[in-house]
Amino acid sequence: GESVGLHLPTLSVQEGDNSIINCAYSNSASDYFIWYKQESGKGPQFIIDIRSNMDKRQGQRVTVLLNKTVKHLSLQIAATQPGDSAVYFCAENRGSGYALNFGKGTSLLVTP
Amino acid sequence: EAGVTQFPSHSVIEKGQTVTLRCDPISGHDNLYWYRRVMGKEIKFLLHFVKESKQDESGMPNNRFLAERTGGTYSTLKVQPAELEDSGVYFCASSGPLREKLFFGSGTQLSVL
Repeated sequence: GESVGLHLPTLSVQEGDNSIINCAYSNSASDYFIWYKQESGKGPQFIIDIRSNMDKRQGQRVTVLLNKTVKHLSLQIAATQPGDSAVYFCAENRGSGYALNFGKGTSLLVTP
Repeated sequence: EAGVTQFPSHSVIEKGQTVTLRCDPISGHDNLYWYRRVMGKEIKFLLHFVKESKQDESGMPNNRFLAERTGGTYSTLKVQPAELEDSGVYFCASSGPLREKLFFGSGTQLSVL
């Protein structure tokens, strides 16, 4: 079936380095994608979104890239900080209504 | 502005018992969603309310799960009778005018023993 998945379950980076978290999706009809960050004991928090008519969108220290040709989504975090340690989920719209399909998540660990 | 709140934060019950989870969405948000994350797996969609109506309940696992949103404000999710495989974190989310931008609560950690 159609699904959203992540390439790597865990990622360890040093403080100050840039992080890249990848995500593959299979629903070619998806036109909206979101990255969420989940810290321990909290619910997913919105980071950044992108629509299918865009290739790139930037926020504060974060950039989302969308490659529709290969159905690939990535989240780049610049100058990663210890507070960035969390599980990151990509999600796509389900195609009907406004609910989302989530991937399994990538655990990002920032070491000093 | 208060965020999405969920109660309880944790619930430990025995197999066969009943549990009711509650979600208070952000005030004014018509869209309310229930999701579940079983350990180590992805966050799975359960259902979507628009005001008091069920817009999409295709993710509900079986008829042991009952969701309601009387009056279009808060919502409850009842599991009766609970089974071991129901354990996980149940998230509620709501969205307003930007309907695809979901705001999540902190979740209810349900443990069925």
